[in-house]
Amino acid sequence: AQSVTQLGSHVSVSEGALVLLRCNYSSSVPPYLFWYVQYPNQGLQLLLKYTSAATLVKGINGFEAEFKKSETSFHLTKPSAHMSDAAEYFCAVSDPDYGQNFVFGPGTRLSVLP
Amino acid sequence: DGGITQSPKYLFRKEGQNVTLSCEQNLNHDAMYWYRQDPGQGLRLIYYSQIVNDFQKGDIAEGYSVSREKKESFPLTVTSAQKNPTAFYLCASSYILRGGLDEQYFGPGTRLTVT
Repeated sequence: AQSVTQLGSHVSVSEGALVLLRCNYSSSVPPYLFWYVQYPNQGLQLLLKYTSAATLVKGINGFEAEFKKSETSFHLTKPSAHMSDAAEYFCAVSDPDYGQNFVFGPGTRLSVLP
Repeated sequence: DGGITQSPKYLFRKEGQNVTLSCEQNLNHDAMYWYRQDPGQGLRLIYYSQIVNDFQKGDIAEGYSVSREKKESFPLTVTSAQKNPTAFYLCASSYILRGGLDEQYFGPGTRLTVT
């Protein structure tokens, strides 16, 4: 079965510092990959997605992610953290070998310190 | 504006009562989903539907029921059989692509509190 892991349930960075949130998946077949952000008491909002085009994907709010097949990773980065980036981030996989469903990672809570 | 709506935002019920959460989308998406989210936890799939009048159980379907009579609507009923119904419920929808699912669009969520 497909699985998604996100290393670090809670990550803290200083304002202006690099943000790196890690995501690894288990599929041997390149799937579709997504990063979502969730603010308190809200639904999830898509940050970016990989669907077998360019391996470096740019998203909203200055975030980007790189698909690395050899490492089965799809880590999310942002060069300079802003206070408004504090939220919960979820990595997700859509794998046709797993039927028509998403598999979400457990989430990483990002705190941004002034 | 196209989107997905859930109502109400907050819902309070007494234990032993069934309650139905509404989810509507005008994105012409084929697939719709219900997730449950508990504090500090990720999303767990309750039910999903890829076509009208058909739906499938997810990982935690016990104590829940759904219907899909219209493409736009996918209501979730939390029954009295659900042992711990207090949670944040999220509805989502997506297109179905040949290579997998396209991105899921999420509603704003319904926070259900059962006392």
